[in-house]
Amino acid sequence: AQSVAQPEDQVNVAEGNPLTVKCTYSVSGNPYLFWYVQYPNRGLQFLLKYITGDNLVKGSYGFEAEFNKSQTSFHLKKPSALVSDSALYFCAVRGIYNTDKLIFGTGTRLQVFP
Amino acid sequence: EAGVTQSPTHLIKTRGQQATLRCSPISGHTSVYWYQQALGLGLQFLLWYDEGEERNRGNFPPRFSGRQFPNYSSELNVNALELEDSALYLCAGEGGPTDTQYFGPGTRLTVL
Repeated sequence: AQSVAQPEDQVNVAEGNPLTVKCTYSVSGNPYLFWYVQYPNRGLQFLLKYITGDNLVKGSYGFEAEFNKSQTSFHLKKPSALVSDSALYFCAVRGIYNTDKLIFGTGTRLQVFP
Repeated sequence: EAGVTQSPTHLIKTRGQQATLRCSPISGHTSVYWYQQALGLGLQFLLWYDEGEERNRGNFPPRFSGRQFPNYSSELNVNALELEDSALYLCAGEGGPTDTQYFGPGTRLTVL
């Protein structure tokens, strides 16, 4: 069965420092992987995805993610964090079909301190 | 281009009542997915509609149902509301070769 794990409930980082939000996955076949961000009382905003191709994926707001097949990971990164990046981040994998539901991790709360 | 819209923003009901939530995907997107985000339970898949047909449903009781209209908008109905149905209900649209679901702002359902 497809699944993703986000091992950290919360990540704290100082503004200007690099940030990493971790995600590992377990899938049958080739993974379709996604990152979404959720601000308080809001829906999910799409950040980036990996379907195929380059292992380093660039997305919105300066975020990027690295697909690592051997470690089954898809960590979200940003070189320099902003206070406005503070939000809830979800990693997701597509169900067994590429048109199927998204299966979400439990979410990681990112707190960026000034 | 308008994003995914959902209505109402908030909905307050009492136990046993019925709730109807609505979603309009981005123009050109023909699939609609519904998810429940309940406190402590994360994001759970509810239903998937494509071209007017229900394609898949999550592990929810039959009192959760819905439909998709010819204009691809969708409705989620929850009958016989229970306290634990209180949650943020998110819909997402998808279409074409994007492989990406785009979410609306959600409907906050509170069951008293």
